[in-house]
Amino acid sequence: AQSVAQPEDQVNVAEGNPLTVKCTYSVSGNPYLFWYVQYPNRGLQFLLKYITGDNLVKGSYGFEAEFNKSQTSFHLKKPSALVSDSALYFCAVRDRDNYGQNFVFGPGTRLSVLP
Amino acid sequence: GAGVSQSPRYKVAKRGQDVALRCDPISGHVSLFWYQQALGQGPEFLTYFQNEAQLDKSGLPSDRFFAERPEGSVSTLKIQRTQQEDSAVYLCASSLTGGVLSYEQYFGPGTRLTVT
Repeated sequence: AQSVAQPEDQVNVAEGNPLTVKCTYSVSGNPYLFWYVQYPNRGLQFLLKYITGDNLVKGSYGFEAEFNKSQTSFHLKKPSALVSDSALYFCAVRDRDNYGQNFVFGPGTRLSVLP
Repeated sequence: GAGVSQSPRYKVAKRGQDVALRCDPISGHVSLFWYQQALGQGPEFLTYFQNEAQLDKSGLPSDRFFAERPEGSVSTLKIQRTQQEDSAVYLCASSLTGGVLSYEQYFGPGTRLTVT
């Protein structure tokens, strides 16, 4: 079975500072990994994905994430946080070798960027 | 272009009532997913369609939940005899391709169901 952990319920960071939102995963096969962001009263928006290839993935709005197979992690990062980045962030995994379509989402991390 | 739309955005139902939630995916998207998101939680998979075929319904919590996509575009999630534990946001997502190539999903704004 696949699972995703986001160990921090809440991350606070000052505007202009770098931010990291952590994600670790568990799958029996090889993973497809995703980050989504959710703003209040809005649906989830796709940020970036890791499918194969380069372990450092760049996505929307200046976000990036690094796939680390040995640590089974896919942490989301941004060099300089903006107040507008404040939102709920979800990591998700799909087992590449399982042809089912079940995406598993983590519980979410609330990011607050303080001015 | 138009994204995924869902209606109604908010639904209040008395316990025991039946409800129907609609999803209009992005035109041409092959795959359609339904998720349930409880307050403060991540979305949990309910069911998946590839065109009109329901290929995975392993996440449906009980036989009171039923989903269909008869023409391979619009989908309806029906909940019969609603219970208070059904209160949640129901998210619909679509993806351009099917099978192992369905990478990112595009989500609708959700329907917030409150059962009183």
